[in-house]
Amino acid sequence: ETGVTQTPRHLVMGMTNKKSLKCEQHLGHNAMYWYKQSAKKPLELMFVYSLEERVENNSVPSRFSPECPNSSHLFLHLHTLQPEDSALYLCASSPGRTHEQYFGPGTRLTVT
Amino acid sequence: AQSVTQPDIHITVSEGASLELRCNYSYGATPYLFWYVQSPGQGLQLLLKYFSGDTLVQGIKGFEAEFKRSQSSFNLRKPSVHWSDAAEYFCAVGRDNDMRFGAGTRLTVKP
Repeated sequence: ETGVTQTPRHLVMGMTNKKSLKCEQHLGHNAMYWYKQSAKKPLELMFVYSLEERVENNSVPSRFSPECPNSSHLFLHLHTLQPEDSALYLCASSPGRTHEQYFGPGTRLTVT
Repeated sequence: AQSVTQPDIHITVSEGASLELRCNYSYGATPYLFWYVQSPGQGLQLLLKYFSGDTLVQGIKGFEAEFKRSQSSFNLRKPSVHWSDAAEYFCAVGRDNDMRFGAGTRLTVKP
């Protein structure tokens, strides 16, 4: 498989559930990103990992917890989410922190 | 403050007509500039990028963009739109870890 993949593509969870989103990149990139895309709002950068170290955390609530075990994999652990967290969560990777980003197809999350 | 503005939320053009999508930015230093396209249910695909050099850049799918430093703009153009170009288009600017996206312009193509 090539490019950036994300699983699951769709997720429905209750506010008390715990779930994880997975992202995998097959491009040999060094940096990975999580974005939140809500309707009628600009894309919001949530987390940045470069060489497996977190280098950016844009005031994201602690109910979102990222994990980057190696340069090819990125997770977003979710717990006690709110309905307003329903959105499309996009993962991206780039060769370095100054380069263009390549996006996965996203996970459509619905919190009920 | 750093920001990206795409003034047009929604644009409708006829198939075969020319297209220009506007992007203006405010940034401390000269940023890197990008255009992405997103089809429904998909992630963002890079159309083109500008880092330095020739201010007119060519991208995929017949798109081009021109960087105008004096106007802080990076407008996307296509001479003849195809029905498959209907999608959401995002301008992005940034350096290092700081990437800012515009709110997007939705393109509808009429037959």
